[in-house]
Amino acid sequence: DAKTTQPNSMESNEEEPVHLPCNHSTISGTDYIHWYRQLPSQGPEYVIHGLTSNVNNRMASLAIAEDRKSSTLILHRATLRDAAVYYCIRTSGNTPLVFGKGTRLSVIA
Amino acid sequence: DAGVIQSPRHEVTEMGQEVTLRCKPISGHNSLFWYRQTMMRGLELLIYFNNNVPIDDSGMPEDRFSAKMPNASFSTLKIQPSEPRDSAVYFCASSTGLAGAGNTQYFGPGTRLTVL
Repeated sequence: DAKTTQPNSMESNEEEPVHLPCNHSTISGTDYIHWYRQLPSQGPEYVIHGLTSNVNNRMASLAIAEDRKSSTLILHRATLRDAAVYYCIRTSGNTPLVFGKGTRLSVIA
Repeated sequence: DAGVIQSPRHEVTEMGQEVTLRCKPISGHNSLFWYRQTMMRGLELLIYFNNNVPIDDSGMPEDRFSAKMPNASFSTLKIQPSEPRDSAVYFCASSTGLAGAGNTQYFGPGTRLTVL
């Protein structure tokens, strides 16, 4: 059950902003949107999560559409260390994270 | 805090042998998760515990796989007998609750298992 849809891959130039899209058109009112990333040879790490409002933290910003059917993870200034697979995960009810295929972000120097 | 600790980091074994993977969650976390990652299948949730009790093991591939959590600071994932198709990276994660309630899961560095 693909709860979210993401592009397979994206490319960005170093020091440029990156907007990673995610579609979750069947989202319910109490579903959270989580973003995790996995750097090469590492375990997934938390990036950000939100419910209805836009969220900011030191790593990124999360912009959630008004109808909540899509969201965008924003990396304000991509670095080479941001090259990773980014997972957008929708959680329903009292459930754990279930990962899809994610978006592989390449950052070009 | 040291984060989620997994051991061993690498394991090479022969088909038919028993393999035991270990995980120490972050202190104070009451939920623990085991995932498996392969190129073909991506990251799969195998089983998760809440307060040391297994809640959902529907992701465990077959009876050769078993997981235990004897106390709040230790969990094991055992494969007996192991097969080459079990080769994967196994991740353990812990959290103070489930992601569906807005909680964050913290992942360990993984154990890379190779079954020859």
